[in-house]
Amino acid sequence: DAGITQSPRHKVTETGTPVTLRCHQTENHRYMYWYRQDPGHGLRLIHYSYGVKDTDKGEVSDGYSVSRSKTEDFLLTLESATSSQTSVYFCAIGRGYEQYFGPGTRLTVT
Amino acid sequence: EDKVVQSPLSLVVHEGDTVTLNCSYEVTNFRSLLWYKQEKKAPTFLFMLTSSGIEKKSGRLSSILDKKELFSILNITATQTGDSAVYLCVSVGGEGGSEKLVFGKGTKLTVNP
Repeated sequence: DAGITQSPRHKVTETGTPVTLRCHQTENHRYMYWYRQDPGHGLRLIHYSYGVKDTDKGEVSDGYSVSRSKTEDFLLTLESATSSQTSVYFCAIGRGYEQYFGPGTRLTVT
Repeated sequence: EDKVVQSPLSLVVHEGDTVTLNCSYEVTNFRSLLWYKQEKKAPTFLFMLTSSGIEKKSGRLSSILDKKELFSILNITATQTGDSAVYLCVSVGGEGGSEKLVFGKGTKLTVNP
């Protein structure tokens, strides 16, 4: 397995609270991605990074921000969580043609 | 708008059957198409297809791409219960140096003993 970990693996939070999810890799990959997966929608790209401090938006970026201060860590922040952000969040590394996914974080916003 | 459409969305078969999963795409500046298998956790990579008509094969799984008709198929022969999963089709495209991935909604395959 590629060296990708996500933390926390499960989180329950209340509407309006800030939440930060962490993705950590040991593969020294330049590209990192955050996706959310919801029934009926498949995987959707939230944000991605193509290097330290270089990030760009995906198709569902509203309500999310990211930061990449070092190669190995890519943080996803929900500034004020909403119930619509209840989902499973996957981090991935690698170029688009061959990505490796982390184990996922199940986030529930009540 | 770029899109990837998979069919069927759900499929139930018996062990030993052969299945064909379909993926059609409309993507700007298409580069490649990927297939992933997702069981109860993260997706795992199966195939990357970039050229038309060249079959990729791995054991009982095979896949082919038709860039003229804009589709790909994933075949699984002699299915086993361990093949039960969601199979995701993903297009890779994007202009210039950017990279855009579009995921299909997946085909949920259930293989019954």
